[in-house]
Amino acid sequence: RKEVEQDPGPFNVPEGATVAFNCTYSNSASQSFFWYRQDCRKEPKLLMSVYSSGNEDGRFTAQLNRASQYISLLIRDSKLSDSATYLCAVNRGNTPLVFGKGTRLSVIA
Amino acid sequence: DTAVSQTPKYLVTQMGNDKSIKCEQNLGHDTMYWYKQDSKKFLKIMFSYNNKELIINETVPNRFSPKSPDKAHLNLHINSLELGDSAVYFCASSQIFSTEAFFGQGTRLTVV
Repeated sequence: RKEVEQDPGPFNVPEGATVAFNCTYSNSASQSFFWYRQDCRKEPKLLMSVYSSGNEDGRFTAQLNRASQYISLLIRDSKLSDSATYLCAVNRGNTPLVFGKGTRLSVIA
Repeated sequence: DTAVSQTPKYLVTQMGNDKSIKCEQNLGHDTMYWYKQDSKKFLKIMFSYNNKELIINETVPNRFSPKSPDKAHLNLHINSLELGDSAVYFCASSQIFSTEAFFGQGTRLTVV
């Protein structure tokens, strides 16, 4: 089993839709959690960190469920510009970030 | 002002050659990394370098070697390139392991 797993998608949604991605991690010692966005042929860029109590940044909401070992990303009111691959990343505090394979999102007009 | 920069952006070379990719960060971070993203887009850690300690992913062939002249630089040397080495290589840095990592723009390596 991979350390971090994501549904690869693609998720094809109309503009204005709400879409949610989940990411599961296998190591219960994981301490830090992040969502990254990667556009085609570009580097991954940090979208948001994920905190234990959940956190929101505009249209984006991240949640952490330690008991079930997953994190989620909710995007409300999807824009065309949200089309990208969303990568979750996890680490155990003394190790590099481990990434999931990413979930591809296409927002359609 | 680029935080993590790597050169070259594109590298096309023949099998058997030796090549290097350079990486520099101006964020004052203590930890630097090399990741490989293959054709299936899976981003996999190759090396991390923290306080002069090198952590190597055991699956990385020893043809790959990182070299860090100072805290702000972590270069990647690859000997005897093989077709399967074709991928995008990303340099990244973070303050410490548990904080977010910032990535360079990537080097697209094509071995022919």
